Amino acid sequence: GAGVSQSPSNKVTEKGKDVELRCDPISGHTALYWYRQSLGQGLEFLIYFQGNSAPDKSGLPSDRFSAERTGGSVSTLTIQRTQQEDSAVYLCASSLAEGNTIYFGEGSWLTVV
Amino acid sequence: GQNIDQPTEMTATEGAIVQINCTYQTSGFNGLFWYQQHAGEAPTFLSYNVLDGLEEKGRFSSFLSRSKGYSYLLLKELQMKDSASYLCAVSGSARQLTFGSGTQLTVLP
Repeated sequence: GAGVSQSPSNKVTEKGKDVELRCDPISGHTALYWYRQSLGQGLEFLIYFQGNSAPDKSGLPSDRFSAERTGGSVSTLTIQRTQQEDSAVYLCASSLAEGNTIYFGEGSWLTVV
Repeated sequence: GQNIDQPTEMTATEGAIVQINCTYQTSGFNGLFWYQQHAGEAPTFLSYNVLDGLEEKGRFSSFLSRSKGYSYLLLKELQMKDSASYLCAVSGSARQLTFGSGTQLTVLP
């Protein structure tokens, strides 16, 4: 596609429910990143996929968070048993290769009530 | 680990020049990026430095000194639309980008 596409753009969920956030990177981009940004805060790294290598999961805040990338393209970030502190915008980004410029999607705004 | 520092807020006047500094400490270095983020929007790419020196792109320039762990973003002929958060990000040995907390720039008329 022309840019990084994320869905849903907005999600309101009840505490304790599971949510799935989807990211469709720019076509041909081998690197894919998930970041989280709470209101008024900086970007917090969550997870990084590069080609067929094992993902860098060092930023995932707890075992309630997981992500997968199928076929080297689309990625899904799953948050289980959501908590109110999970409320944030979840940004996906992709780059042509590791170390290259990364381009962000518009984000998925998650609100846990 | 990685540590990136930049001022929290800056204010400047329309038409002026402003310099936003960023210092970093990283294990490994594979480039430094600047992004612009308007409120409620995703960050957009501004510049990339991997070698020492100045990169100029229109009204925006970015400088890097690897030996000093220092970069700055220079914005000339400020416009009201330049009011935004400016994020410094470093690619270290782990390749994923680590972002600073951002500098909120307010341009006054």
